[in-house]
Amino acid sequence: KAGVTQTPRYLIKTRGQQVTLSCSPISGHRSVSWYQQTPGQGLQFLFEYFSETQRNKGNFPGRFSGRQFSNSRSEMNVSTLELGDSALYLCASSFGQGVHEQYFGPGTRLTVT
Amino acid sequence: AQTVTQSQPEMSVQEAETVTLSCTYDTSESDYYLFWYKQPPSRQMILVIRQEAYKQQNATENRFSVNFQKAAKSFSLKISDSQLGDAAMYFCAYRSALNSGYSTLTFGKGTMLLVSP
Repeated sequence: KAGVTQTPRYLIKTRGQQVTLSCSPISGHRSVSWYQQTPGQGLQFLFEYFSETQRNKGNFPGRFSGRQFSNSRSEMNVSTLELGDSALYLCASSFGQGVHEQYFGPGTRLTVT
Repeated sequence: AQTVTQSQPEMSVQEAETVTLSCTYDTSESDYYLFWYKQPPSRQMILVIRQEAYKQQNATENRFSVNFQKAAKSFSLKISDSQLGDAAMYFCAYRSALNSGYSTLTFGKGTMLLVSP
């Protein structure tokens, strides 16, 4: 079974631009969560989607948004990029009901210049 | 809100030896799940082991085992017979069981494990 895939793997953007990151979960998984990883703040939860609905959200500004499609694929968008948005963005998928482990993708490394 | 603390930023071990990584957490909940994830230089997060709070028996996965002390809110990871491939950043993570549908993980800051030949 294929793992979680994230595209693109690397991205360089300029301050003020916007960016869209994509995540395809493991087949059969209906929950997708996004995390931001930085050296200073560590791993921080952004949001979680289940069956196209956002059911949990972390403490991030409204510039960070996401959505999930009917095939469970998810995208996250960051508008008006700031230098501090430079990070590794990790996507994780799980079945979404009950206790099931989250399986992580390889991440998207975003650099804002 | 729950917090997870890993007090050891870095640990070193020699091949074939045993090392223990520490993790403490703070929660007012009685039912939850704890995980150890490994992140090698490739940055791919890999689940190492999980523990359900309602289970008294410590989880074991091959060379990896945990010491779960619920009253002390402690969840340490023991790696036996360490191998070079074990070198990575290790994260302790907490997940609430209150909303069983939520998958949100709260992570510690991580412990970098160095393995020398």
